Amino acid sequence: DQQVKQNSPSLSVQEGRISILNCDYTNSMFDYFLWYKKYPAEGPTFLISISSIKDKNEDGRFTVFLNKSAKHLSLHIVPSQPGDSAVYFCAATFSGSARQLTFGSGTQLTVLP
Amino acid sequence: DAEITQSPRHKITETGRQVTLACHQTWNHNNMFWYRQDLGHGLRLIHYSYGVHDTNKGEVSDGYSVSRSNTEDLPLTLESAASSQTSVYFCASSESTRVEAFFGQGTRLTVV
Repeated sequence: DQQVKQNSPSLSVQEGRISILNCDYTNSMFDYFLWYKKYPAEGPTFLISISSIKDKNEDGRFTVFLNKSAKHLSLHIVPSQPGDSAVYFCAATFSGSARQLTFGSGTQLTVLP
Repeated sequence: DAEITQSPRHKITETGRQVTLACHQTWNHNNMFWYRQDLGHGLRLIHYSYGVHDTNKGEVSDGYSVSRSNTEDLPLTLESAASSQTSVYFCASSESTRVEAFFGQGTRLTVV
């Protein structure tokens, strides 16, 4: 039973447009959510996180939105650039877990020039 | 610069062999983790450690073991490699007070 789900395996977006990646979760105990980016043959790289007490966190071109009632979060990338093409993983954790991360299955983002 | 390194980057082994994957971090992080990545599953937790001499099982720990004799290293051992353990393995570490973990570059293991 996947506690963190990314239902879109892939997404294509035109350069300069907004990319929106979605993630759903089922465990109400999660209190932090994270996004990681992964290029081929490299390890995942931390992008941005959000605490469950917030509904938005912004870092440059990246913004994460959290809707606790819907158990849904999204990552917005504006404007999208070809270098953003990668697999994006949503992850979640809770304080009683020693900060183990539970990952979604990932979404392949392709930004077309 | 502090970093986390995994070795080897690629490994081919035969069914039934014992294999050890190395992970070394220079951040002095207490928490260390091993994940495997498979298509359709994302990254799944194998084992984790809060500190020296501490080890814990994760979601997919069967057939794997770890030991933590110092802060910097968490080697992952496959006791008797099986084809189902063909995967990409990632080591990660984190500070006890932070949520984000930092990952190594991965080890691609093929069991034939």
